[in-house]
Amino acid sequence: ELKVEQNPLFLSMQEGKNYTIYCNYSTTSDRLYWYRQDPGKSLESLFVLLSNGAVKQEGRLMASLDTKARLSTLHITAAVHDLSATYFCAVGSNFGNEKLTFGTGTRLTIIP
Amino acid sequence: GAVVSQHPSWVICKSGTSVKIECRSLDFQATTMFWYRQFPKQSLMLMATSNEGSKATYEQGVEKDKFLINHASLTLSTLTVTSAHPEDSSFYICSAGRTGRGAQPQHFGDGTRLSIL
Repeated sequence: ELKVEQNPLFLSMQEGKNYTIYCNYSTTSDRLYWYRQDPGKSLESLFVLLSNGAVKQEGRLMASLDTKARLSTLHITAAVHDLSATYFCAVGSNFGNEKLTFGTGTRLTIIP
Repeated sequence: GAVVSQHPSWVICKSGTSVKIECRSLDFQATTMFWYRQFPKQSLMLMATSNEGSKATYEQGVEKDKFLINHASLTLSTLTVTSAHPEDSSFYICSAGRTGRGAQPQHFGDGTRLSIL
């Protein structure tokens, strides 16, 4: 059974600081997704990582994938308040027609 | 714009009522759609895979007679929570993605918040 774990579960940090969220998964997969969820809202897609060594960046967020270590990271650079949300990683296969297994989520609070 | 539309956004109803939630793919055909459930402050849990023209595949522990799924067309899947009770209160989210040529990752609906009194 595929298990996806995220660390930390909760994170409170000051604006301007850097931090990394970790996503470990238990079985081989070549598709790793990161999503953002604001309170009361659905999921917003952030990144799709498709191969070992993949790195993608959007604004202050950067995601990477190490399929050999079964590890993905989401790095936050110089955090701003607008980044406060819950972040989920998810593991799947076969674009479009795939079951996603979600991580536990990381609730991020950025303090001004 | 949204490529997966979910309706309604929020439902409040009395215990014992059956509630239907619709999930539509707006500009593509989806042979498969997925239904997730999310309790407050928790992650998303896959409930079932909705297959066009055939029976849904339910995850372990999900009652198929309680959560009826119908996928009668390539653009519409419905989830009916039958005889809902307060413990069924949750956030329900559907997803669908393009398959075949031009396949893309799944898009998620906006979710339906179900509150059973």
